[in-house]
Amino acid sequence: SQTIHQWPATLVQPVGSPLSLECTVEGTSNPNLYWYRQAAGRGLQLLFYSVGIGQISSEVPQNLSASRPQDRQFILSSKKLLLSDSGFYLCAWSVTPGGYTFGSGTRLTVV
Amino acid sequence: DAKTTQPTSMDCAEGRAANLPCNHSTISGNEYVYWYRQIHSQGPQYIIHGLKNNETNEMASLIITEDRKSSTLILPHATLRDTAVYYCIVSTMTTDSWGKLQFGAGTQVVVTP
Repeated sequence: SQTIHQWPATLVQPVGSPLSLECTVEGTSNPNLYWYRQAAGRGLQLLFYSVGIGQISSEVPQNLSASRPQDRQFILSSKKLLLSDSGFYLCAWSVTPGGYTFGSGTRLTVV
Repeated sequence: DAKTTQPTSMDCAEGRAANLPCNHSTISGNEYVYWYRQIHSQGPQYIIHGLKNNETNEMASLIITEDRKSSTLILPHATLRDTAVYYCIVSTMTTDSWGKLQFGAGTQVVVTP
């Protein structure tokens, strides 16, 4: 069966520190992968999506970047975190139109 | 992608059917209607999607009007575990954009005993 792993579950980082969040998918090949962010009390914002290894599309300009070094691995990074980067980060995958599967998310607090 | 309009919140009694409306008056011919829900502090969960015809699965039914300008998600027998934010989304399925789901504010559904 297909599963998605996302870690860590919670993270507290100081302003100006780097960030690396990892997402891996099992049980499927060549998925579309997505990073979303949800600020407190707000809706989900699509940050990045990828249709293949090394192929990254950014939806909004920001302090973050994404990479896809392997077919089933998607990484969200930042060189220097800002307070505004705090939020709930969700990774998702799909192989057919319509069915997204989301990970359990990482709650990031920048202090 | 077309935008959707949903009520901000709805209450529903446990055991009764919950009917969640969604307006998407500017939907185009190649756009599907998707429904997801998000229970507090969890990732969204896919419920159902459709193009023209009504759809049903083990979770819910989706009723799309003939002109496709609105739809209704029906939870046949609401339980307390159905309390969540429900998102109605429309999206194309073109090669370069399928799967790029843009979530709005959704409808907060509260199921009460």
